[in-house]
Amino acid sequence: GQNIDQPTEMTATEGAIVQINCTYQTSGFNGLFWYQQHAGEAPTFLSYNVLDGLEEKGRFSSFLSRSKGYSYLLLKELQMKDSASYLCAVRDSNYQLIWGAGTKLIIKP
Amino acid sequence: IAGITQAPTSQILAAGRRMTLRCTQDMRHNAMYWYRQDLGLGLRLIHYSNTAGTTGKGEVPDGYSVSRANTDDFPLTLASAVPSQTSVYFCASSDSTSGGAATQYFGPGTRLTVL
Repeated sequence: GQNIDQPTEMTATEGAIVQINCTYQTSGFNGLFWYQQHAGEAPTFLSYNVLDGLEEKGRFSSFLSRSKGYSYLLLKELQMKDSASYLCAVRDSNYQLIWGAGTKLIIKP
Repeated sequence: IAGITQAPTSQILAAGRRMTLRCTQDMRHNAMYWYRQDLGLGLRLIHYSNTAGTTGKGEVPDGYSVSRANTDDFPLTLASAVPSQTSVYFCASSDSTSGGAATQYFGPGTRLTVL
């Protein structure tokens, strides 16, 4: 079967750094996505990785290791507005996205 | 219209009733998707369409039907609603000619409660 695993919830302090991990087992791999979803809103695209390594985009970075079936999203200089759920998704051999259940990130002052 | 719109925003429905959730995009994306999102679960694909005139079944298609008469619209119909269909429904679209990198863009969602 196909499976995406993420921690259910994480807590971090404003101004700090947090790393959200995602491990996956899918039938094929055609890229990994991270989305942000604020409560009651739609998911919005954050990052895409298809090759191993780190992709940096401002305060957010995403890392991929295909051999380990592993990715992480790194958020730096945390702000209160970063309180949200972060969704990991993998595009499989049929080019469909398989989604993790999401990690709820709570930022404390 | 900018992006993807969904209607209604929310709905309370009696079990057994028929309901159509509407989705319209103005980005000329060829691919469109319907997901449901339930607490503690990831987004689950209900149906998808890779291009106008074609549709396909996702992970949880039972009890739902779709049509894709044109590029912009992708309605989702519940023929006879049941309480287990209580969920938040998201429509999404993408330009699948980008291959694996095609990003899906989401509508604001419809919150459906079936009593």
